[in-house]
Amino acid sequence: EVQLVESGGGLVQPGGSLRLSCAASGFTFNTYEMNWVRQAPGKGLEWVSYISGTTINYADSVKGRFTVSRDSAKNSLFLQMNSLRVEDTAVYYCTRSFDHWGQGTLVTVSS
Amino acid sequence: EIVLTQSPGTLSLSPGERATLSCRTSQSVDSNYLAWYQQKPGQAPRLLIYGASNRATGIPDRFSGSGSGTDFTLTISRLEPEDFVVYYCLHYDNSPFPFGPGTKVDVK
Repeated sequence: EVQLVESGGGLVQPGGSLRLSCAASGFTFNTYEMNWVRQAPGKGLEWVSYISGTTINYADSVKGRFTVSRDSAKNSLFLQMNSLRVEDTAVYYCTRSFDHWGQGTLVTVSS
Repeated sequence: EIVLTQSPGTLSLSPGERATLSCRTSQSVDSNYLAWYQQKPGQAPRLLIYGASNRATGIPDRFSGSGSGTDFTLTISRLEPEDFVVYYCLHYDNSPFPFGPGTKVDVK
């Protein structure tokens, strides 16, 4: 069974940093493209970042502030978020090729 | 950059009725990369349809997808009580990967 479990969310002040993790199991992690998608409270879904074996892409709204990475030895996906803004407040989901999704982790940016 | 538009924003129907949800793309897209999701409150999105018309594993056959080019449709043939939630479309060919703004199906 495919499982994706996010962690690392929490409350952070504007300008601060957080590192999200996504632990993957039930599939061969290093053969799949992975994405981060976020959802601000009461809003729709917004793609944040993509990583394959060779390619990394970011939404313009996070480019230069967020860094995605993966560790195949640990079957884990990461999102380093720096220079956080109030508008980054959202539930962050990791998703395997957009077919399986984790339960999400809440990031709140507030003073 | 491709933009997805969903209509209507809210669809008010009764259980047992047929729901027709629309997703339009700002330019013609490869239908192999058009997906539909259902999202219940407090839950992650669930994949319903991929490749415009293929039901994901475990999805009831009352859900069906169709379309090509710029116009895509999700049809729920007979609404069950648990279907009154929000639906999103996604184009996942190349990044950036746009989602539609969603259609909420609520009880009339």
